[in-house]
Amino acid sequence: DAKTTQPNSMESNEEEPVHLPCNHSTISGTDYIHWYRQLPSQGPEYVIHGLTSNVNNRMASLAIAEDRKSSTLILHRATLRDAAVYYCILRDYGGNKLVFGAGTILRVKS
Amino acid sequence: NAGVTQTPKFRVLKTGQSMTLLCAQDMNHEYMYWYRQDPGMGLRLIHYSVGEGTTAKGEVPDGYNVSRLKKQNFLLGLESAAPSQTSVYFCASSRARGYSGANVLTFGAGSRLTVL
Repeated sequence: DAKTTQPNSMESNEEEPVHLPCNHSTISGTDYIHWYRQLPSQGPEYVIHGLTSNVNNRMASLAIAEDRKSSTLILHRATLRDAAVYYCILRDYGGNKLVFGAGTILRVKS
Repeated sequence: NAGVTQTPKFRVLKTGQSMTLLCAQDMNHEYMYWYRQDPGMGLRLIHYSVGEGTTAKGEVPDGYNVSRLKKQNFLLGLESAAPSQTSVYFCASSRARGYSGANVLTFGAGSRLTVL
């Protein structure tokens, strides 16, 4: 599985937008970009995924670079409940599994 | 709709004891996974299954066995527990490739295992 690189931690103020970056320079043409997050003492939960085009859902937006070697998860208005570890993962369309990295710890200040 | 249920939630074992963690899903998902998470680290895949009666190794399979006798259940066994297996274990499930929602894993709440 191709690897991703994320900052170890980021901090944001409540009610402000948050941009969480992810580098995946070895991404292949069939790799989907997935984001999951893990709140304290809980299992990971799905956030969003995309292939080439930017994606929006009720939780977040995913902006994918034109060359697909990087992507950004955007939380439009961070709340204290968004404090979590965010994982950026690549998954081949034909792949059967997700391999997690260390993720980014997001801290939200009130 | 319970989603993914793991039992037990907590367990303390002595070195050398055996135990089985049970994962049950009620979403009719084809794929199931077992991960472990150590403090301050991401999740590491232990074993996974793409269907009833099939299993495959993940990143860290040593010391664990799995079985998928029924589609809705995925069991993780420790035959002879070691302190290095102290961890939080997460089960997940997803639909198979080609199905709507195949890209989404649903995780259980976790099982915290301590081996003394």
